[in-house]
Amino acid sequence: ETGVTQSPTHLIKTRGQQVTLRCSSQSGHNTVSWYQQALGQGPQFIFQYYREEENGRGNFPPRFSGLQFPNYSSELNVNALELDDSALYLCASSAPDQPQHFGDGTRLSIL
Amino acid sequence: AQTVTQSQPEMSVQEAETVTLSCTYDTSESDYYLFWYKQPPSRQMILVIRQEAYKQQNATENRFSVNFQKAAKSFSLKISDSQLGDAAMYFCAYRRNNAGNMLTFGGGTRLMVKP
Repeated sequence: ETGVTQSPTHLIKTRGQQVTLRCSSQSGHNTVSWYQQALGQGPQFIFQYYREEENGRGNFPPRFSGLQFPNYSSELNVNALELDDSALYLCASSAPDQPQHFGDGTRLSIL
Repeated sequence: AQTVTQSQPEMSVQEAETVTLSCTYDTSESDYYLFWYKQPPSRQMILVIRQEAYKQQNATENRFSVNFQKAAKSFSLKISDSQLGDAAMYFCAYRRNNAGNMLTFGGGTRLMVKP
């Protein structure tokens, strides 16, 4: 058991809506990253947070945003949902210079 | 930009046999890390093995070992004595040093294990 928990497990939204996905990091982990995994593909890095500050971002538009809280839990927010946003969203956390641990992901479906 | 390529969409192995999964990558960096992750149907990404680019010795973890060829930018995973529980998607991933957790993943290889 990695200790990284994500909620909800599965979510259905419609185009144009907004969504918030949540991640609870493993104890002692101060870095959290979010990835988008489309069906049949490898995960793509969205962004990462370290001590509540975004310190790295992949090739995703600004409607993808995030937060990290003092307890190191995290949120991923996506505005103006598009059909192509349908994917598995993975959260991963790590302690400094340690491998990251992944959660089970949130499956987001856009209708 | 770094890219990671896995040229085998699917591989099949007989239980107890050995299988090798291929991965190539492209980078201009000299200091980086390479990883193999396993993703079973449960969706959780599980770290299988990690290799530091500055180390010449190939990493091993029990039945899992890698063949790291830095000049060729190749990083293959060998699974010995394959077990039914090894069946999963396998992803090769790259991370530049001092890049936090920013992993670049390949497209994955689906491994099937036949009893």
